[in-house]
Amino acid sequence: DIQMTQSPSTLSASVGDRVTITCRASQTISDWLAWYQQKPGKAPRLLIYRASSLESGVPSRFSGSGSGTEFTLTISSLQPDDLASYYCQQYKNYPRTFGQGTKVEIK
Amino acid sequence: EVQLVESGGGLIQPGGSLRLSCAASGFIVSSNYMSWVRQAPGEGLEWVSVIYSGGDTYYADSVKGRFTISRDNSKNTLYLQMNTLRAGDTAVYYCARHRSGEIDYWGQGTLVTVSS
Repeated sequence: DIQMTQSPSTLSASVGDRVTITCRASQTISDWLAWYQQKPGKAPRLLIYRASSLESGVPSRFSGSGSGTEFTLTISSLQPDDLASYYCQQYKNYPRTFGQGTKVEIK
Repeated sequence: EVQLVESGGGLIQPGGSLRLSCAASGFIVSSNYMSWVRQAPGEGLEWVSVIYSGGDTYYADSVKGRFTISRDNSKNTLYLQMNTLRAGDTAVYYCARHRSGEIDYWGQGTLVTVSS
């Protein structure tokens, strides 16, 4: 199975800060990676697919990059609405696997 | 508008069975591949199972042999039959639609609690 490791597990930042979350795959997955946002008590929402493509309707402050085994999700200017957990997921192989999540808190 | 509405969750004793349903609207279930993803209380997301438009299915090792994914094309509904339930299966179960590999729509989830 492909293991997905996210860091950090939790981060606290101020409104307007640039925030970066890292996701590492245990083997190469090319760009078969998605990022999801999950707000408390809600279902996840797709933010980024194919590692760097922004889903329609998602604010442009979100961006994704990387390929192979190293990926990042960046929020260019953190907003109060970005309070959530963020998950990466690989979709190169079965079983599909998610990172353990990164909880973003607002200072 | 695409909508996915899960039902069938509840409290069940260990060893019991439960069938989850996911009623879809705004698209044809059999034309997309569909997954179930679960989330234990306070934990992260875990992919459970997928069914392709051609009928091929895959399962996580943790549920293989106990869970069965299926669909009813006439009802445009996805199912997850869960047998021999364990405490570790306690979770919110989400129905999800894949656009390509990524999941572009999620249901609101249904809670399954396995406890005596």
